[in-house]
Amino acid sequence: AQSVSQHNHHVILSEAASLELGCNYSYGGTVNLFWYVQYPGQHLQLLLKYFSGDPLVKGIKGFEAEFIKSKFSFNLRKPSVQWSDTAEYFCAVNRNSGYALNFGKGTSLLVTP
Amino acid sequence: GAGVSQSPSNKVTEKGKDVELRCDPISGHTALYWYRQRLGQGLEFLIYFQGNSAPDKSGLPSDRFSAERTGESVSTLTIQRTQQEDSAVYLCASSFMTGDTQYFGPGTRLTVL
Repeated sequence: AQSVSQHNHHVILSEAASLELGCNYSYGGTVNLFWYVQYPGQHLQLLLKYFSGDPLVKGIKGFEAEFIKSKFSFNLRKPSVQWSDTAEYFCAVNRNSGYALNFGKGTSLLVTP
Repeated sequence: GAGVSQSPSNKVTEKGKDVELRCDPISGHTALYWYRQRLGQGLEFLIYFQGNSAPDKSGLPSDRFSAERTGESVSTLTIQRTQQEDSAVYLCASSFMTGDTQYFGPGTRLTVL
């Protein structure tokens, strides 16, 4: 079955630490890739997306993600996290010709001061 | 402009009752999606509307679930004879066109007692 896997369910980091959250998918063909973030008490917001072109995508708040087609991966990175990055992070994928987003189960990130 | 809005924000109901959830998409967005997020899970696609085309209902979990959309405006998701396993956050999203970035509403938290 087609799926999206996020390997880290809970991550705790100190401020200024580097972050990498893993995301793998099991679709063949051309895909669109997304990272969404949900801050405490807020709704889902788009962090960044990849449709085509440069596989290194830069998003808001200093986040970036790299699409590695050979590894079916789209890992999220940030060189130095802040307390305000505490949130739930969701990876999502859809087929280039499709519309329904398939989400991973999410990663809860806690950044401690 | 205004984002996607949903009402109610919270709904508590008794098992066996019917509930109706409402979604107001971003003005001008032709595509509308409903997702469900159960505790500890990623988002599950439920149904998709695009303009006046027939909706894609492939994600609806049972015939107790139905949804309607009037043109390119408001959508309602109805759950009949609610069961405890229907307890979840129901999220609505809209996009300008199919395949474009989806923007999410704040969700309706449904609790079935």
